[in-house]
Amino acid sequence: AQSVTQLGSHVSVSEGALVLLRCNYSSSVPPYLFWYVQYPNQGLQLLLKYTTGATLVKGINGFEAEFKKSETSFHLTKPSAHMSDAAEYFCAVSEGSGNTPLVFGKGTRLSVIA
Amino acid sequence: DTAVSQTPKYLVTQMGNDKSIKCEQNLGHDTMYWYKQDSKKFLKIMFSYNNKELIINETVPNRFSPKSPDKAHLNLHINSLELGDSAVYFCASSQRAATDTQYFGPGTRLTVL
Repeated sequence: AQSVTQLGSHVSVSEGALVLLRCNYSSSVPPYLFWYVQYPNQGLQLLLKYTTGATLVKGINGFEAEFKKSETSFHLTKPSAHMSDAAEYFCAVSEGSGNTPLVFGKGTRLSVIA
Repeated sequence: DTAVSQTPKYLVTQMGNDKSIKCEQNLGHDTMYWYKQDSKKFLKIMFSYNNKELIINETVPNRFSPKSPDKAHLNLHINSLELGDSAVYFCASSQRAATDTQYFGPGTRLTVL
């Protein structure tokens, strides 16, 4: 069964600094990988996803993630943090079958310090 | 135009009561989901329906019963509410499978006293 590990339940960065949120996955088949963001008191929205093809995926709000099969990783980065990036970030994996659920990591709370 | 809507947004009730949460999506998607998010923000799938048919039923107490009257609606009924049911419940939808982007509703915060 697939699983996701997000390293660090809380990451704090200064405004303008690099954002790096780590995600490692376990999957028995080529995975579909997702990053979702949850702003306070809201539902989740998709930042970006990897299905097949190019391993560097660009998403909304300047975020990107790179699928590294050899490291089973899908880390999320943004070159320069903005105050509005403060939120909870979830990495998720799906094994591609219609009847297998999307499995989420435990989330990483990103704080941005002025 | 809200893509995935849930009602109510907040629900406060006593232990032992029965309550329902409603979800509607206007995206024309075939698949809908219910998730539970606990106080530590951990998000877990509860149920998934595809074209009104139950396709995912995780280990959830049978006090929880989903109902899909049509593919645009997926309601969640909870019998005999317990303290441990307090959480935020999210409805979501996707075009077809879990590999497609899921669109989430705003959540329903359930508090059981």
